[in-house]
Amino acid sequence: DIQLTQSPSFLSASVGDRVTITCRASQGISSYLAWYQQKPGKAPKLLIYAASTLQSGVPSRFSGSGSGTEFTLTISSLQPEDFATYYCQQLNSYRWTFGQGTKVEIK
Amino acid sequence: EVQLVESGGGLVKPGGSLRLSCAASGFTFSSYSMNWVRQAPGKGLEWVSSISSSSSYIYYADSVKGRFTISRDNAKNSLYLQMNSLRAEDTAVYYCARAAAQNYFDYWGQGTLVTVSS
Repeated sequence: DIQLTQSPSFLSASVGDRVTITCRASQGISSYLAWYQQKPGKAPKLLIYAASTLQSGVPSRFSGSGSGTEFTLTISSLQPEDFATYYCQQLNSYRWTFGQGTKVEIK
Repeated sequence: EVQLVESGGGLVKPGGSLRLSCAASGFTFSSYSMNWVRQAPGKGLEWVSSISSSSSYIYYADSVKGRFTISRDNAKNSLYLQMNSLRAEDTAVYYCARAAAQNYFDYWGQGTLVTVSS
């Protein structure tokens, strides 16, 4: 199975900061990657799919890039409501796997 | 408005069984593949199973294959997960999730907690 490794696992940032999270796949997955945001006690929310396509209703400060084995999620200016855990997800051979998550906390 | 509402979670002993349900509304249920994803307490997300719109294609994670069965009833707009031979490591919040056109999960339920303990 394809493994996804996110870095960092934890980051502390301030409102207004530019934040970048990386997701690396153990083998090439083209652009079959999505990003989700999860807040405590809530279900995950789809932010980006196909590596760089913004889901409807998601603020434009979120962006995704990459292909093959390395992907990034960028938040251009961190807002108070963005403090959460972020997961990448890939689909390969009808097996979905998630990264271990990146928790974004307030500095 | 798309809504997914899970039910059926609870406390069960190791080796026991449980059936989860997910009631869907606000969209044409029969047109979408559906999924179960779980999250152990304090841990990350783990995909469990997927079923295509007409039940023709079904997939399982290795961790549950042979013990869990996914099914759906399009007439009742409902998704199910029959869980047998439950283990302590199956303890988790179980979410149902709709698969969008490119198979990403665009809508999720609120989750139902399954606790496997003696």
